[in-house]
Amino acid sequence: DAGVTQSPTHLIKTRGQQVTLRCSPKSGHDTVSWYQQALGQGPQFIFQYYEEEERQRGNFPDRFSGHQFPNYSSELNVNALLLGDSALYLCASSLVFRGAGTGELFFGEGSRLTVL
Amino acid sequence: AQSVTQLGSHVSVSEGALVLLRCNYSSSVPPYLFWYVQYPNQGLQLLLKYTSAATLVKGINGFEAEFKKSETSFHLTKPSAHMSDAAEYFCAVSVSGYSTLTFGKGTMLLVSP
Repeated sequence: DAGVTQSPTHLIKTRGQQVTLRCSPKSGHDTVSWYQQALGQGPQFIFQYYEEEERQRGNFPDRFSGHQFPNYSSELNVNALLLGDSALYLCASSLVFRGAGTGELFFGEGSRLTVL
Repeated sequence: AQSVTQLGSHVSVSEGALVLLRCNYSSSVPPYLFWYVQYPNQGLQLLLKYTSAATLVKGINGFEAEFKKSETSFHLTKPSAHMSDAAEYFCAVSVSGYSTLTFGKGTMLLVSP
């Protein structure tokens, strides 16, 4: 049973560019959440997707957007990159909206973004 | 809004010694509480979770945590540290089963021979 998979694992961008990160949830999961983990910090919630809609959003600007596909996979897009966007981006999947919600997240290994 | 405070950004123990990582939370409703571990260059792995059942929760790798409502605490313990326990540990709180977690800043556990 494959867990949560993310791609790419590492990438380098320059300020002003755009980036797309991808996530495939654990088999059987229906909800995908994205977190940003800056160096030396705990993960911070960006947004959550269920049934191809953004359901909850953290305190992140509109430069951060996402998408969920019919197969439950998800993308995180960041436009107009800033140096401060350098971080580990973690995708987490869960089974939430089918009545089995215990809050347990399964995390991928992350995509490490460096903005120069 | 909920929040988590982890006391001590670094904790050092000797192999075989007791591990105690502290976590205090703030929540306006009964919380769900979690401990996650992160090894270098990896994602987060769930150690254990409290979801309003037994207050003493046992997790993987010999870790356990006790929910104390009066102290708003959920400290993580392990009787005897192993070298393989060296990692960063995150406490997190959620106020529902809808998976939005608020994390603490993490505590790096260092284990010396």
